[in-house]
Amino acid sequence: QAVLTQPSSLSASPGASASLTCTLRSGINVGSYRIFWFHQKPGSPPLYLLSYKSDSDKQQGSGVPSRFSGSKDASANAGILLISGLQSEDEADYYCAIWHNSGWVFGGGTKLTVL
Amino acid sequence: EVHLVESGGGLVQPGGSLRLSCAASGFTFSNFEMNWVRQAPGKGLEWVSYISTGGLNIYYADSVKGRFTISRDNAKNSLYLHLNSLRAEDTAIYYCARQPFDYWGQGTLVTVSS
Repeated sequence: QAVLTQPSSLSASPGASASLTCTLRSGINVGSYRIFWFHQKPGSPPLYLLSYKSDSDKQQGSGVPSRFSGSKDASANAGILLISGLQSEDEADYYCAIWHNSGWVFGGGTKLTVL
Repeated sequence: EVHLVESGGGLVQPGGSLRLSCAASGFTFSNFEMNWVRQAPGKGLEWVSYISTGGLNIYYADSVKGRFTISRDNAKNSLYLHLNSLRAEDTAIYYCARQPFDYWGQGTLVTVSS
């Protein structure tokens, strides 16, 4: 089982909200980790969006709009990236990452389609 | 403005070697931990290696351990990745990234093929 699992795809309408999940493997407690989020558009390097550990310990990337926010669902052992007011330019691949066992681990990515 | 510029990629035969470089500017390089991350064609991101500010702490992904070597020269504001015993599955764009991944380079393509 992968350390981080992301749905492969998600579709949402312009103006709506999208909730992207990053589920940690059983036995790895989401509460102990800072979750990092990135998006990537074709032909470009990843762009840092934000990191989230708790409501009092979070960081927004430089220039990243506040409609991108992070949270956790402890019951699902998952980190969540919430994008509100979806725009066409939000269509991209989204990745999560954590520092785990002396290394970085990336999720497999979610392709977000805005249509 | 922060800039990270990778170089050194190219076509190499299986079993061959390459040295990738990452030139940093616009920030105090010696104050930041650095990473290499790769992305195979059409695939997701895979972390490759980490190096601490002074180079004393170094970590590798299991897939490259024993074959790749990360290093840095703070006097030259440069990060390096030596790739040895290359395999077809090492074919990817290699990105350098400042920790906590807030800045990334444009990447350099490594193709391993006979």
